[in-house]
Amino acid sequence: EIVLTQSPATLSLSPGERATLSCRASQSVSSYLAWYQQKPGQAPRLLMYDASNRATGIPARFSGSGSGTDFTLTISSLEPEDFAVYYCQQRNNWPLTFGGGTKVEIK
Amino acid sequence: QVHLVESGGGVVQPGRSLRLTCAASGFIFSSYGMHWVRQAPGKGLEWVAVIWYDRSNENYADSVKGRFTIARDNSKNTLYLQMNSLRAEDTAVYYCARERRTNMYYFDYWGQGTLVTVSS
Repeated sequence: EIVLTQSPATLSLSPGERATLSCRASQSVSSYLAWYQQKPGQAPRLLMYDASNRATGIPARFSGSGSGTDFTLTISSLEPEDFAVYYCQQRNNWPLTFGGGTKVEIK
Repeated sequence: QVHLVESGGGVVQPGRSLRLTCAASGFIFSSYGMHWVRQAPGKGLEWVAVIWYDRSNENYADSVKGRFTIARDNSKNTLYLQMNSLRAEDTAVYYCARERRTNMYYFDYWGQGTLVTVSS
């Protein structure tokens, strides 16, 4: 099973600041990685797929990069609605696995 | 618009069974693989199972293999999860989720989730 490790666990930032979230895989997942955003009491929302492609309706301030084992989700300038938990997920191998999440909180 | 609605959750004793249902609308259900993903209270996401769009294949997380069965009825636009021999660690919100595209195992639409609590 591929283990995805997200860091940091919590990111404390102010609106307008840049957020950089990391996801590291225990073995290569090629570019087959997605990012999701989840707010309290809601289902996750797909942000990025195949490492760097924005899903439908996702603002341009979200971007993704990486391949192999190291991936990054960047939010260029945090909006109030961006404070949430973010998960990465790989589809390169069964079983599909998620990272443990990074909480982006208001500083 | 795409709509996924789960039902069937509740409180169940360890060792008992429960069947979850996900009603789909707003898209051609028979063209998409469908998944169950769960989230224990206060924890992260865990993928549970997938069924191919045409029911030709299924796959399961090791934690549920042999106890859970995923199924679908394309004539009713409905996805199921039969959960047997339930354990306390199966307590979670269970989401049904649609694949973004055939064999592209990302989830672009999710239901609101249904809570399963396994407790004596």
